Amino acid sequence: SFKLTQPPSLSVSPGQTASITCSGDRLGDKYSSWYQLKPGQSPVLVIYEDYKRPSGIPERFSASNSGNTATLTISGTQTLDEADYYCQSWDSSATWVFGGGTRLTV
Amino acid sequence: EVQLLESGGGLVQPGGSLRLSCAASGFPFSNFAMAWVRQAPGKGLEWVSTISGRTLSGGGGTTYYADSVKGRFTISRDNSKSTLYLQINSLRADDTAVYFCAKDAGAGYYYFNYWGRGTLVTVSS
Repeated sequence: SFKLTQPPSLSVSPGQTASITCSGDRLGDKYSSWYQLKPGQSPVLVIYEDYKRPSGIPERFSASNSGNTATLTISGTQTLDEADYYCQSWDSSATWVFGGGTRLTV
Repeated sequence: EVQLLESGGGLVQPGGSLRLSCAASGFPFSNFAMAWVRQAPGKGLEWVSTISGRTLSGGGGTTYYADSVKGRFTISRDNSKSTLYLQINSLRADDTAVYFCAKDAGAGYYYFNYWGRGTLVTVSS
């Protein structure tokens, strides 16, 4: 079955760039999305269709998807960006798949 | 404004059943696929089930399930009430989780652009 793999954690200092990877077999051939999840809150879509930002998501959030890896990049990371981040894609076997999540500490 | 409000969670004994509901508003509910996603304590997000929206030909309501819940969970929708349901049977301890209702972005997109606040299901004796 299709799986997505993320690093469990990442720590950056405020103002630095955070890059979170998501790996899956031929992931670049599929669309990837990214969600931010803070404790006690609902997930928030921050990237869809590989690199697009929903309205209201700051420009410091960007992403790419190629080969077997999708990458979420947060430039000029702020303390309010501290959260768990999940990649997600869809497999042709009709399953929606989430990565295991990456805890970003700022 | 899109709103999704889950209800129906609670404490249930192993082997028991629950029906979760998600009341939707702010968008044409019948046109969109809807899903349930859960998060067990200390774990990541796990897709549970999706039900398709109404198609141009008037069909829809196709259901999809994660292998971990197939045969025990049933997703359904009442378009007249803009409400999504999840019937969960034969509950196990590892079904303990916050269950989120999520709106699919649209036909052929396969991501979730709106989420509810979640409802907690605790399976324990």
